Amino acid sequence: EVQLLESGGGLVQPGGSLRLSCEASGFTFSSYAMSWVRQAPGKGLEWVSTISGAGGSTYYADSVKGRFTISRDNSKNTLSLQMNSLRAEDTAVYYCAKDRSSSWSAFDVWGQGTMVTVSS
Amino acid sequence: EIVLTQSPGTLSLSPGERATLSCRASQSVSSSDLAWYQQKPGQAPRLLIYGASSRATGIPDRFSGSGSGTDFTLTISRLEPEDFAVYYCQQYGSSPRTFGQGTKVEIK
Repeated sequence: EVQLLESGGGLVQPGGSLRLSCEASGFTFSSYAMSWVRQAPGKGLEWVSTISGAGGSTYYADSVKGRFTISRDNSKNTLSLQMNSLRAEDTAVYYCAKDRSSSWSAFDVWGQGTMVTVSS
Repeated sequence: EIVLTQSPGTLSLSPGERATLSCRASQSVSSSDLAWYQQKPGQAPRLLIYGASSRATGIPDRFSGSGSGTDFTLTISRLEPEDFAVYYCQQYGSSPRTFGQGTKVEIK
């Protein structure tokens, strides 16, 4: 069964840092681009970042560029999101999502999400 | 950035009725790179449609997608009780990948 399991969410003060992880299973992890998508409480979906299958290409939304870093370890089937200089507006459920193909495509598998709350 | 506008914001229908959801893009979506997702409260989104009209694995055939360019439609032919949820369109043909604001399908 194809699964994605996020971890690392929690409460952090403005200006702080947090690292999210996503453990993948049930598919050939290195063959697919992987992404992070977030959803603020009561709001819609917002794409955050994508990394290519081999990890050589990364993409970011303007709202997080320069503050967030996406990475992957294909030997451990793990996706990560390092979040620095966190702001109140970064408060959201963060989902790990698998692209349907090795490049830009729809997200065909989603994790259950991990909540990040930025507050003093 | 391609802005996606979904309409209506809320659709009030009864089980068995047909639902028609619209997604309009601010500029042409390349290669019909348009997807539809369903989200229920407290759950992650689920992919329904990709490539504007292709059903994802395991999606019932009462869900269908159509359209090209700037105008896309998700149709649910006969609503089942489990179909009442929020639906999002998404374009993935250009960066940044963007979502519509969602359409809530509620029980009338």
